[in-house]
Amino acid sequence: AQTVTQSQPEMSVQEAETVTLSCTYDTSENNYYLFWYKQPPSRQMILVIRQEAYKQQNATENRFSVNFQKAAKSFSLKISDSQLGDTAMYFCAFIPGNTGKLIFGQGTTLQVKP
Amino acid sequence: GAVVSQHPSWVICKSGTSVKIECRSLDFQATTMFWYRQFPKQSLMLMATSNEGSKATYEQGVEKDKFLINHASLTLSTLTVTSAHPEDSSFYICSAAGTTRETQYFGPGTRLLVL
Repeated sequence: AQTVTQSQPEMSVQEAETVTLSCTYDTSENNYYLFWYKQPPSRQMILVIRQEAYKQQNATENRFSVNFQKAAKSFSLKISDSQLGDTAMYFCAFIPGNTGKLIFGQGTTLQVKP
Repeated sequence: GAVVSQHPSWVICKSGTSVKIECRSLDFQATTMFWYRQFPKQSLMLMATSNEGSKATYEQGVEKDKFLINHASLTLSTLTVTSAHPEDSSFYICSAAGTTRETQYFGPGTRLLVL
């Protein structure tokens, strides 16, 4: 089965602090793409960061970075210098092989506190 | 990034009526479009995948006769909820992809309330 698990339903962090959101996945595919999406209260899905499974180097995008552990099938998201605008629901997702089908985790609601 | 629009953003309808939701890629040609359903505070569930000019592929458990999908052009896909019932009330989101299907651009979603 192809699944994504986010074990933290809710998290909170103080403004300017760092927070890490966990994600594990399961697939028998060797080639796949991993994503973190942000869904603010507007419910618009926003791509935060993506990682190709064949790349060993962890992706970074400004304050956002990932820790990709392929053997452990782990793909955590680190948000540095958290801002109030980071408050949102965060979804970990992946596309197995060339299916194009995004499989989402359950989501983690992140609250950034002033 | 590319822009995807959805119309309407909000719709309320009576039970038994049909509702059509449009998904448009505004500045690129979408070879593939995806339709998702999201209940409050839950994840997105893929309903179906549509490729321009061909029949949609539905995920297991999704009634294709109830959720009609048409992808007649490279910039437009429509989802029609036929004979809507209150349990069809949900948030429907589309995404569009060009030739590289791992890059999907999401629409803003449509809230459907069936009374």
